[in-house]
Amino acid sequence: ETGVTQTPRHLVMGMTNKKSLKCEQHLGHNAMYWYKQSAKKPLELMFVYNFKEQTENNSVPSRFSPECPNSSHLFLHLHTLQPEDSALYLCASSQGWVVSSYEQYFGPGTRLTVT
Amino acid sequence: DAKTTQPNSMESNEEEPVHLPCNHSTISGTDYIHWYRQLPSQGPEYVIHGLTSNVNNRMASLAIAEDRKSSTLILHRATLRDAAVYYCILTYNNNDMRFGAGTRLTVKP
Repeated sequence: ETGVTQTPRHLVMGMTNKKSLKCEQHLGHNAMYWYKQSAKKPLELMFVYNFKEQTENNSVPSRFSPECPNSSHLFLHLHTLQPEDSALYLCASSQGWVVSSYEQYFGPGTRLTVT
Repeated sequence: DAKTTQPNSMESNEEEPVHLPCNHSTISGTDYIHWYRQLPSQGPEYVIHGLTSNVNNRMASLAIAEDRKSSTLILHRATLRDAAVYYCILTYNNNDMRFGAGTRLTVKP
């Protein structure tokens, strides 16, 4: 148990559906992250939020829409996804947003399958 | 951006030390070296990080070469629970961690 929870743990959705992934951290951290882990590619950073403000967007397609209402919660809204978006989506948090200085705590991930 | 090179896989015997190497010949002066591991069906877990000096914590030790072009993660006594993929990561622009393919460590009883 890392103090970062993600729901749902598994999700199957069609290409025309809209769904949301939820992440919550119970560590009092100020920065939160979304990562994507595909079967054949290394872990990729998608978004970074610091004190609810987005500080990084690594050229992620607009069909992925993040939302950070407060420092403890992070959402990833999904719409009109493609089958190649099937992957493990991981949320992480850290005390600060300078990744060189702070360790990140990861949640267990949401396994997404797009049919 | 700086890249890391790690062996695809390594094997170790239980209760023996393990030395996991990482090459990062293009590291810049401000890049920190981070190590994370990912156990099966879990998210990555922080192990250790450093800049220039060797570092120790309860999980492992990190030995950094003097020229910083390579580093070694040392698990002093491997257990079956240490079987995981170990990632050596350099920070990029202070706000990005570029994960590679990592080293899959197998621990034999």
